[in-house]
Amino acid sequence: AQKITQTQPGMFVQEKEAVTLDCTYDTSDPSYGLFWYKQPSSGEMIFLIYQGSYDQQNATEGRYSLNFQKARKSANLVISASQLGDSAMYFCAMREEGRDDKIIFGKGTRLHILP
Amino acid sequence: DSGVTQTPKHLITATGQRVTLRCSPRSGDLSVYWYQQSLDQGLQFLIQYYNGEERAKGNILERFSAQQFPDLHSELNLSSLELGDSALYFCASSHRTGADSGANVLTFGAGSRLTVL
Repeated sequence: AQKITQTQPGMFVQEKEAVTLDCTYDTSDPSYGLFWYKQPSSGEMIFLIYQGSYDQQNATEGRYSLNFQKARKSANLVISASQLGDSAMYFCAMREEGRDDKIIFGKGTRLHILP
Repeated sequence: DSGVTQTPKHLITATGQRVTLRCSPRSGDLSVYWYQQSLDQGLQFLIQYYNGEERAKGNILERFSAQQFPDLHSELNLSSLELGDSALYFCASSHRTGADSGANVLTFGAGSRLTVL
């Protein structure tokens, strides 16, 4: 069965520092996709970055990068040069391709950026 | 504006009642997903439709049902409501499904916040 684990319920990081949010997953499917979403205090869900299981390179989107370690089944989100506006809840999610279209989410990590 | 419209934004009702949450997907998107987010919890997958047909089901309670109509809008029906059903209900849409999904990025609506008293 699919499973997403985010072990950090909360993190405090100084502004301008880099931060790594952990995500491990469990799947028996060789083809899958991994996502990160951000949920600010306003409540909306914002797509940040995607990594396919067969992608050769780690995904990057501006200040966001995904540290994909397939053998360890981890897909950590790295935010460089953190900003106050990065304070939010961050969710890791996974979809197993070729099967049903269920996309499951982890419990999230609440990130606090300190001035 | 994400392009996914959810109504109502807020709903307060009593235990035992029934409510209907509505979702209009982004133009061109054929898949609709429903998620439940309880206080300080992650998103629990409820159900997914593609072009009117149910494609995937999560831990959706028997008291809950959903459908997707020919115009692609979807409704989530919650009946015999309990206090524990109080949550933020998200609808999300995507264009593709199945083996061709690729990134299959979900676009979320703003959510419907249900409070059961």
